[in-house]
Amino acid sequence: KAGVTQTPRYLIKTRGQQVTLSCSPISGHRSVSWYQQTPGQGLQFLFEYFSETQRNKGNFPGRFSGRQFSNSRSEMNVSTLELGDSALYLCASSQGQYYGYTFGSGTRLTVV
Amino acid sequence: ILNVEQSPQSLHVQEGDSTNFTCSFPSSNFYALHWYRWETAKSPEALFVMTLNGDEKKKGRISATLNTKEGYSYLYIKGSQPEDSATYLCAFPAGGTSYGKLTFGQGTILTVHP
Repeated sequence: KAGVTQTPRYLIKTRGQQVTLSCSPISGHRSVSWYQQTPGQGLQFLFEYFSETQRNKGNFPGRFSGRQFSNSRSEMNVSTLELGDSALYLCASSQGQYYGYTFGSGTRLTVV
Repeated sequence: ILNVEQSPQSLHVQEGDSTNFTCSFPSSNFYALHWYRWETAKSPEALFVMTLNGDEKKKGRISATLNTKEGYSYLYIKGSQPEDSATYLCAFPAGGTSYGKLTFGQGTILTVHP
């Protein structure tokens, strides 16, 4: 079956711009989580969506937002980009609380 | 703030060696513990989800044990192969309906030399 699909794979943006990243989870997976990975910080939780509702939020500024659609596809948006937002953004989906998460390949965002 | 710690930070072994590494997590309010393997240029891959004290899971040459009372889990690799080279991450989910909020350790980078 198809895995978790993230688009685009790579992005270069300028400071101050905004960006939207997309994630299509595995069919039937209702929980979708987003993570930021930077060399110094490791994998940091951004937010989780379940049935179109944000169920959990990590410790990130309000410039980071997201949403989930009725087909479980999710998007995350970062407004007013800063150099420090340069990172790998990973999306993951799961079928339930006793199952592991399946990760996408990620979107590598570079802010210049 | 949840503290999930992994040790060692990195490990170099020879092909055929057996190895193990540790994940420490808060022992109170235990819900589950995840192990992931992250190979270079790939996505993190789920290895195990552990939920019961004393639980032991096995997948080929890789196995994991869990001690919820003292707050640690061990991951073992028997007869390491170069293809086992990866970063091994453990993750601690918040409980209940917050199971999608995983706190990851910094990982153990394993390099297996042929």
